[in-house]
Amino acid sequence: GQSLEQPSEVTAVEGAIVQINCTYQTSGFYGLSWYQQHDGGAPTFLSYNALDGLEETGRFSSFLSRSDSYGYLLLQELQMKDSASYFCAVGYNFNKFYFGSGTKLNVKP
Amino acid sequence: ETGVTQSPTHLIKTRGQQVTLRCSSQSGHNTVSWYQQALGQGPQFIFQYYREEENGRGNFPPRFSGLQFPNYSSELNVNALELDDSALYLCASSSLFKGQQTKKNIQYFGAGTRLSVL
Repeated sequence: GQSLEQPSEVTAVEGAIVQINCTYQTSGFYGLSWYQQHDGGAPTFLSYNALDGLEETGRFSSFLSRSDSYGYLLLQELQMKDSASYFCAVGYNFNKFYFGSGTKLNVKP
Repeated sequence: ETGVTQSPTHLIKTRGQQVTLRCSSQSGHNTVSWYQQALGQGPQFIFQYYREEENGRGNFPPRFSGLQFPNYSSELNVNALELDDSALYLCASSSLFKGQQTKKNIQYFGAGTRLSVL
């Protein structure tokens, strides 16, 4: 089966940089995705890594190392609106996703 | 705004009843996936429909069933409701074609249906 582990909660201050880690015990997936979900809202796509290395999308970057079974999401210049839950997910054929349990990010002034 | 709409937004049922949840996919998308999200957890994959056929299933019992219609909208049916079925049910749509390896897979989620089973 698929197992993805994330820290349950992270707290950081506005303007800082925070890294949310995702370790997994699965194989054969196409890529590692990251989704953001505000309380009561729908998950929204943030970033995707098909290959090892860093992908940058504005203030968000994501990293994947298949050899280490590890990835992370990096959020820079934190804003209050970044307070949300963040999920890593592995994608298999035809977009079958398996999600981690999520990391709640609290951004403080 | 993803263009994926779900109805109803909230629903209260009692144990043993049956429920039908609905999802309209984003225009141009041919694939709908359903997820169950318990409070404080990540979404759990229930099943996926591609061009009106089930195309993969997660670890959910047969009392969870679904349909996809010619316009690619979809329904999730749950029979014999149990207390543990209380959760947020999310659908996500995407546009895929068999035989084409997905290089970048983005799913567009609806806001979900909050189901409470009493």
